[in-house]
Amino acid sequence: SQQGEEDPQALSIQEGENATMNCSYKTSINNLQWYRQNSGRGLVHLILIRSNEREKHSGRLRVTLDTSKKSSSLLITASRAADTASYFCATDASTGGFKTIFGAGTRLFVKA
Amino acid sequence: NAGVMQNPRHLVRRRGQEARLRCSPMKGHSHVYWYRQLPEEGLKFMVYLQKENIIDESGMPKERFSAEFPKEGPSILRIQQVVRGDSAAYFCASSPTDEDTQYFGPGTRLTVL
Repeated sequence: SQQGEEDPQALSIQEGENATMNCSYKTSINNLQWYRQNSGRGLVHLILIRSNEREKHSGRLRVTLDTSKKSSSLLITASRAADTASYFCATDASTGGFKTIFGAGTRLFVKA
Repeated sequence: NAGVMQNPRHLVRRRGQEARLRCSPMKGHSHVYWYRQLPEEGLKFMVYLQKENIIDESGMPKERFSAEFPKEGPSILRIQQVVRGDSAAYFCASSPTDEDTQYFGPGTRLTVL
């Protein structure tokens, strides 16, 4: 299966609740990034976390990285209807070339 | 400071025609990446280029697809003799180095009739 698998595939929550999305990958990485994509639009970069970092914050976003488990999580606190989007993790392999691998994404729906 | 520009935003072609997709990276970025996204799926890497060089084209079909990033001007993704299966959104991203964040353009939506 593909590197950078997100779960859940879809998530529906109420405004104000927290949303947690997970990403697993298979090979060693240099860094892992999270992106958001609103329907029919381009991707917006959220956070980059390097392989030697364990946690990173940006506003209401918190990303963790566990290289021993080859997994990452994205937490959105106090969600808003405007957070409704698809969220993708992307990994840059540390060997074997330069390509960035995207997962299939988690579709988040925040109900007002 | 304009972001990554892609044009056209929408492109309709009949089977057998050629499609040319253009990408102008952010100012100061010399690394360009092309991705394809099918509906309800993630992005699939196609090709990574630096100025005048193809670094990694392992995600690009060997036939009908080509990419270039000339010394002057935008990067071009060219699809010859398009088929219905080529219908997708094609995204371009750029970065200043190969270890930096990639910034994405708005994409070109190709529809093959």
